Amino acid sequence: AQTVTQSQPEMSVQEAETVTLSCTYDTSESDYYLFWYKQPPSRQMILVIRQEAYKQQNATENRFSVNFQKAAKSFSLKISDSQLGDAAMYFCAYRWTGNQFYFGTGTSLTVIP
Amino acid sequence: DTGVSQDPRHKITKRGQNVTFRCDPISEHNRLYWYRQTLGQGPEFLTYFQNEAQLEKSRLLSDRFSAERPKGSFSTLEIQRTEQGDSAMYLCASSSGSNGYTFGSGTRLTVV
Repeated sequence: AQTVTQSQPEMSVQEAETVTLSCTYDTSESDYYLFWYKQPPSRQMILVIRQEAYKQQNATENRFSVNFQKAAKSFSLKISDSQLGDAAMYFCAYRWTGNQFYFGTGTSLTVIP
Repeated sequence: DTGVSQDPRHKITKRGQNVTFRCDPISEHNRLYWYRQTLGQGPEFLTYFQNEAQLEKSRLLSDRFSAERPKGSFSTLEIQRTEQGDSAMYLCASSSGSNGYTFGSGTRLTVV
C-alpha cells in the first residue's frame, strides 16, 4: 500500500530564511510522481512542484526545490528566501500510474516577519 | 475558464438530509476527481471520472454517496441521509494527464 508520511505537523521560519519540509513515502513501484501542494487559508490547493521518479535531477521552481532520494523514499521541500505569502499548509503527495493521489497529513508553515 | 469551480462554498445541513455539490472542471480536462478532507488531514480520494465514465471509487464512498458526470463536463456529488461524520471539505480537481491536479476551492459541509 502506498503511504505518505509528513512527520512535522508544524514548522516556522524567519522571513528571508530557508526552511525544509520533510516527506517520506512507501511504495513498491519504480515509476511514479511526487508532488508538493500548498494550501493557504483560503483552502484552494496549489501545485508547488512536481518530480518524476525516473528523473535523477531534483526539480526546482524559483525559490522552491526538492531533495529527492529515491532509495531512501524521501522527498523534502526546500523553500529559500521565505516570504510571508509562503505561510500555508503544505502537503506532500504521491501518484503512481493510477489516477489517485495519496496525500500526507500536511505541515503547517508559519513565516515570522 | 480560469480554474475549477465548486458550488456551493459552504453548506450547513441537518442530519438525515440529502445534499448535492457541483464541480465545473477546467474545460479541456477530461479527468475529474473528488476528494474529502477532514480537519488536520490530507485529502482522501473518493472517486475519479475520465470523461463521463466513473473509473475508480474508494471504499470511503459508501452507498449513501453517489457521483455523476453525465456529459463529461461538470460533475455532481450527492450525499444521502447525511451523518455528522460526513462533515468535511469536499474537494474537486481536474487534470488532463500525468501532471498535477488543479483543485477547486472546495465545498465545506457541516452536518448539524
